[in-house]
Amino acid sequence: DAGVIQSPRHEVTEMGQEVTLRCKPISGHNSLFWYRQTMMRGLELLIYFNNNVPIDDSGMPEDRFSAKMPNASFSTLKIQPSEPRDSAVYFCASRITGTSQFFGPGTRLTVL
Amino acid sequence: AQRVTQPEKLLSVFKGAPVELKCNYSYSGSPELFWYVQYSRQRLQLLLRHISRESIKGFTADLNKGETSFHLKKPFAQEEDSAMYYCALGRQGGSEKLVFGKGTKLTVNP
Repeated sequence: DAGVIQSPRHEVTEMGQEVTLRCKPISGHNSLFWYRQTMMRGLELLIYFNNNVPIDDSGMPEDRFSAKMPNASFSTLKIQPSEPRDSAVYFCASRITGTSQFFGPGTRLTVL
Repeated sequence: AQRVTQPEKLLSVFKGAPVELKCNYSYSGSPELFWYVQYSRQRLQLLLRHISRESIKGFTADLNKGETSFHLKKPFAQEEDSAMYYCALGRQGGSEKLVFGKGTKLTVNP
């Protein structure tokens, strides 16, 4: 298995633009997590899904952020409009019940 | 509320020296503790899970419920251990959500 796959690996955009980050979890995993990593705040959980259903989105910073999981093999995190303070590394992770979380390589987002 | 504290942002040791990365947690239920490691610009990888009681890459960690700690230890640090280390807390029995500490950057000098 290739592990958790994220795309793009790097994204540079201008303030105000829409950004979409993508994640493919490990096949057979039933939970998916989106995290944001910054120097100041460390690793923060934004939202997680269980069996494609959003369970806890209390970490989503504001309405500009949205996440979807239309099926078991794909999820998106969208920021619209993007702002410079959204610059961070965004990680996706997945797991199957009873195991630890497996992380993707991350997407490094820079908003100018 | 669940909380994880890693008091040291940076830790620097010499090769061959013992190393201890501290982790304290706050949780009223039955905790499950993890250590994740992130090498430079790579993904986070699971290093240890307290319920498995393994030793990985020479690292060990013991859950001390009295002191609410889960410190990570290695008797002889190696240069390749230089990385960011995150302690994480979940609920025993399969809670989905993990709360991460802010991480400790370990540098092992030659």
